[in-house]
Amino acid sequence: RKEVEQDPGPFNVPEGATVAFNCTYSNSASQSFFWYRQDCRKEPKLLMSVYSSGNEDGRFTAQLNRASQYISLLIRDSKLSDSATYLCVVNPPGNTPLVFGKGTRLSVIA
Amino acid sequence: NAGVMQNPRHLVRRRGQEARLRCSPMKGHSHVYWYRQLPEEGLKFMVYLQKENIIDESGMPKERFSAEFPKEGPSILRIQQVVRGDSAAYFCASSLVGLAGVLHTQYFGPGTRLTVL
Repeated sequence: RKEVEQDPGPFNVPEGATVAFNCTYSNSASQSFFWYRQDCRKEPKLLMSVYSSGNEDGRFTAQLNRASQYISLLIRDSKLSDSATYLCVVNPPGNTPLVFGKGTRLSVIA
Repeated sequence: NAGVMQNPRHLVRRRGQEARLRCSPMKGHSHVYWYRQLPEEGLKFMVYLQKENIIDESGMPKERFSAEFPKEGPSILRIQQVVRGDSAAYFCASSLVGLAGVLHTQYFGPGTRLTVL
């Protein structure tokens, strides 16, 4: 089982749609979780951290289910500018590097 | 407060030449991470360094690749005798404190795109 797995997509959605991305991780002792966004040919940028209680930032909602080792990102009212690749990122236990998923590509269409 | 800086942004080398990639972390950050991203692929961790120390190089090929982060100056990723398969985007990230099992955000530089002819 891969350490961090994501559906690669692409997800093609119309403006205004709600879209959800899922991510699973293999190490149950992982301690912290993030969603990063990467635009084409650009560097990854932190979108939001993911907390056990779930957290929301404007149109974006992140949730964590430790029992199922599952992380989600919900985007409401999609904008054209949301088009990007969304990376699920997990911090395993101990002094080990962050593990990045391969990303889910989103295209928001006018 | 400048972000993570990398140079050059684009680098072209012929097979067999050396490539040197530089990364200056964000001000106050003493931990640097290097990643490689092949076209249409995810980010692959290569190496994690603190000032003058390599903490984890488990993702770095044993041959031809080396990294350093001296007391003064930027971190350097060095690739000797480059081959076509080394063509990729190389991203550097920095954080305020090491991973050490604690939540710490990594900030990425714009990357260096290496093309090997």
